[in-house]
Order: sequence, then structure tokens, then C-alpha cells
Amino acid sequence: GAGVSQSPRYKVAKRGQDVALRCDPISGHVSLFWYQQALGQGPEFLTYFQNEAQLDKSGLPSDRFFAERPEGSVSTLKIQRTQQEDSAVYLCASSPRRPRDEQYFGPGTRLTVT
Amino acid sequence: AQSVTQPDIHITVSEGASLELRCNYSYGATPYLFWYVQSPGQGLQLLLKYFSGDTLVQGIKGFEAEFKRSQSSFNLRKPSVHWSDAAEYFCAVGARTGRRALTFGSGTRLQVQP
Repeated sequence: GAGVSQSPRYKVAKRGQDVALRCDPISGHVSLFWYQQALGQGPEFLTYFQNEAQLDKSGLPSDRFFAERPEGSVSTLKIQRTQQEDSAVYLCASSPRRPRDEQYFGPGTRLTVT
Repeated sequence: AQSVTQPDIHITVSEGASLELRCNYSYGATPYLFWYVQSPGQGLQLLLKYFSGDTLVQGIKGFEAEFKRSQSSFNLRKPSVHWSDAAEYFCAVGARTGRRALTFGSGTRLQVQP
């Protein structure tokens, strides 16, 4: 079946612009995660949804970052007034439900802020 | 707070040689443990996972890992490396209760020489 998809795959933004990154999880997956992966680093957690409820947003680095999943399926990560330090790959993952369930990752969106 | 250390940033092995990638974790109890692989421009693919039971875990592509509680380690091994194994490898820990996010190490880049 289809895996996790993300769009766009690449995004170049000028400093100060707003961006929106989309994630389409695997159908039926209850849990959805966003991670940020800086160059040469492992992914770092940003936020977690269970259905439409955002249960953990402790990893969001500033109030410029906002995520939503209004119908419990597609999710959007929005970054306002982008800064150069926001340049990274943003990974989305979904998983069925239980903590032990595997997280399935999308290919990521590479954001470059110039 | 949980953490993961992958001491080797970069490893080079010859094709056909054996491989061991190190992973040490810090966590208050027994965590869930994962190894993911990431090829350039791709998302993360799960190689194997440990939840409970047998401490030697078999995964895909001929990989295995052994959970050693006394050493807080979860090293990844493969008896004979193929050129297609060249990629970035990430170890991750997850909590059994509470927070659902995974904590990743900084990764080990594997290069395979012909």
C-alpha cells in the first residue's frame, strides 16, 4: 500500500517568508509525528498528534512553528517568518496506535532558507 | 531524559567484511529500541526493533542487533556487508509509557569499499 508522503520535497524560502509543509500519513494510522533533521544529525522530535489532538508539542523550537491535523489525517507544519536556522529536512512519520508500533517515515521536505 | 549515543560518526568496511555499529542509550527503565537506515534523499526505513523477550533481534537485509541491559547497548551487526548497505544508520529509543516520540542518535555513516 501507499506509504507516508510529504510535499513539497524541496522548498526554498527567503528569510522572513512563511512556509507550509504537508504530510499524508498511511491511511488509518492514528499517530502522526513531525521531526526536524539538521544536516549531519539525527531527527529531533517536534510534535505528535493522536487523531486530530496535538498531544505533545514540546519539541517545537519557537512560537513561529505551528502544526495542525484538523481531520485526523493530513497534517500541515507551518513555519512563520522563516530564519536561516530553520533550514533542515522535516520528516513526518505515522504509526498505528501503540507505543511499541513502528513509526513509518516519509521522504521528508528539505527546507532551505536563504 | 532519554538519550542515545552513537560513538562512530563514520565507518568504512570492505564488501564482504563483517560490520558492527555501536549504540548506547540512557533511559530509566528498559526502553523500546530501534535501528533505522537512511539512504541519501530518502526517509528512514526500520531495520529491526526490540520490545521484550529474546535479546538477539533479527531484522531485514540480514541485520541483527543484541540488547545488553548491563551495558545499556544495542549494537547492530551484519556478518557480510554488501555495497548496497552504504547509508546512514540511526539508533533510536522510545518510551514504554508516556511520551511517544523517538529519541535518535546522531547517526553512523557507513561506507563500503569494493
